[in-house]
Amino acid sequence: AQSVTQLGSHVSVSEGALVLLRCNYSSSVPPYLFWYVQYPNQGLQLLLKYTTGATLVKGINGFEAEFKKSETSFHLTKPSAHMSDAAEYFCAVCEAAVNKLTFGGGTRVLVKP
Amino acid sequence: KAGVTQTPRYLIKTRGQQVTLSCSPISGHRSVSWYQQTPGQGLQFLFEYFSETQRNKGNFPGRFSGRQFSNSRSEMNVSTLELGDSALYLCASSLSGSQETQYFGPGTRLLVL
Repeated sequence: AQSVTQLGSHVSVSEGALVLLRCNYSSSVPPYLFWYVQYPNQGLQLLLKYTTGATLVKGINGFEAEFKKSETSFHLTKPSAHMSDAAEYFCAVCEAAVNKLTFGGGTRVLVKP
Repeated sequence: KAGVTQTPRYLIKTRGQQVTLSCSPISGHRSVSWYQQTPGQGLQFLFEYFSETQRNKGNFPGRFSGRQFSNSRSEMNVSTLELGDSALYLCASSLSGSQETQYFGPGTRLLVL
């Protein structure tokens, strides 16, 4: 079975500082990988996804993630945090031939002014 | 296009009752998946429906069931509610199949007393 680990359930960053959220996955086959964001009392919004091809993926709101097969990682970054980035972020992997997302535990981001 | 809609947004039930949640996918999407989100267990896959058939199922007891209609709308039913069923239930839709991007609705928050 596939699994996803997000290192750090809470991350605090200063406005304007780098945001780095870590995600590692286990999969026996090349997975499809996703990052979603959840704002309070809302559903999940897709930030970006990796399927095949270019390993650096750009998403919405200035976020990007790099797929590193050798490290089984898909870390999410944003060069400069904004107050509106305060939310919970989820990394997910989609199993091959099954339309099922397996999520990490989530990382809650706090942005300090 | 309108996004995924879920009704109702909030529900309060008592133990032993049953509940039905509704999800309307994005127009043209034929796959609907359901997820349960709790603070303790995180986001967990319940099941997926495609063309009115359950295609995938997670590890939940038989009290959790669902169905999909010919217009791709889906309902989820939980019978004999338990306190532990209190959660945010998220519905997601995708075009058709495996490893496609899933778009989430705002969720239904269920509180079981």
